[in-house]
Amino acid sequence: DQQVKQNSPSLSVQEGRISILNCDYTNSMFDYFLWYKKYPAEGPTFLISISSIKDKNEDGRFTVFLNKSAKHLSLHIVPSQPGDSAVYFCAASYGGSQGNLIFGKGTKLSVKP
Amino acid sequence: NAGVMQNPRHLVRRRGQEARLRCSPMKGHSHVYWYRQLPEEGLKFMVYLQKENIIDESGMPKERFSAEFPKEGPSILRIQQVVRGDSAAYFCASSPTGQYGYTFGSGTRLTVV
Repeated sequence: DQQVKQNSPSLSVQEGRISILNCDYTNSMFDYFLWYKKYPAEGPTFLISISSIKDKNEDGRFTVFLNKSAKHLSLHIVPSQPGDSAVYFCAASYGGSQGNLIFGKGTKLSVKP
Repeated sequence: NAGVMQNPRHLVRRRGQEARLRCSPMKGHSHVYWYRQLPEEGLKFMVYLQKENIIDESGMPKERFSAEFPKEGPSILRIQQVVRGDSAAYFCASSPTGQYGYTFGSGTRLTVV
């Protein structure tokens, strides 16, 4: 029973274009969402987060959008760079969970030069 | 300032042996989380510890798995009598305050043969 779903296992984008990674969740108790980036043989690296009281958070080339009514969030990367090629994980948590995160299965992004 | 250090990076154990995975959090971090990633899966929360205390072990299998974070020294994840299904990447993360955007280590890849 997956509470956080990333339905696209992979995504290929041309350098300079926009990458859009999607994530759906089922638990309406989630109130905090994060995106992590992971290179092979390394641990996940925190990218950006958003609280459920917001619908958008931006940090440089990365923007996360949250649509609570649809239980959907997305990560936009503009412009995409070859160094962005990695696996991106969506994660969610709620106030009573004491900090543990529920991760999706990840989307592998390939940015082609 | 070294990041979260995990060792060993790779560990091979025969069925029935014990596996000990070590995690040294970042300096000043007193909150440690352990996650497991099975092949083609997202990370799954296992346990959350503070110094000398287990705060949340809701993700730990009931048998054979244990974790500690002593007053001095690294956090240890211990798996007794390993089975092939324990083969996975085990990631440790640390945080100074228990906030969500914590820092992950590079992981220990356990292979049970």
